[in-house]
Amino acid sequence: DTGVSQDPRHKITKRGQNVTFRCDPISEHNRLYWYRQTLGQGPEFLTYFQNEAQLEKSRLLSDRFSAERPKGSFSTLEIQRTEQGDSAMYLCASRSDRSTEAFFGQGTRLTVV
Amino acid sequence: AQKITQTQPGMFVQEKEAVTLDCTYDTSDQSYGLFWYKQPSSGEMIFLIYQGSYDEQNATEGRYSLNFQKARKSANLVISASQLGDSAMYFCAMREFDFNKFYFGSGTKLNVKP
Repeated sequence: DTGVSQDPRHKITKRGQNVTFRCDPISEHNRLYWYRQTLGQGPEFLTYFQNEAQLEKSRLLSDRFSAERPKGSFSTLEIQRTEQGDSAMYLCASRSDRSTEAFFGQGTRLTVV
Repeated sequence: AQKITQTQPGMFVQEKEAVTLDCTYDTSDQSYGLFWYKQPSSGEMIFLIYQGSYDEQNATEGRYSLNFQKARKSANLVISASQLGDSAMYFCAMREFDFNKFYFGSGTKLNVKP
């Protein structure tokens, strides 16, 4: 399978704990996105990477959130001191310079209890 | 202002009939793309169809077609011959080509009845 891969698929954590999610984009896709989706809503943009450079961050991305893409391949999204409001689906997507559409992974569903 | 507006939270359609899902958008850019994605209960976002702002013909992909009315800033998705497997959430999205991020609407939940 050469699609976008996200790990884990599900994460349950206690409030205040740190969590980290991983995204492996489609091979050779240099552009990578993180989105957050709450129940009944459309995905909301969090951040965008072109290769290893983080070029855009949403105001939704508070200082508790950090994303990296150290070698321009996989990316991680870390949430520190999780809050119940962080409960959501976290979606990763990638695209190449030649593609107009983005390809999404299956998401990581985070539940903060 | 919302970049993408989907005014139908839910829709029902009889199997084998056609259905139109509405989408309007807001941009002052001349160069942009419009997209439709399907999200089944499993959660993944599946790309369906793309329309560029400069494309003169409406896009079609199998049973999917995009009714693009540029002056009205609408990009409705038409699904012909609905199937039970079409039951899912459908999201309209836009990307302005001077920028990189995609804007999504709030979605329409489609239920196909047997």
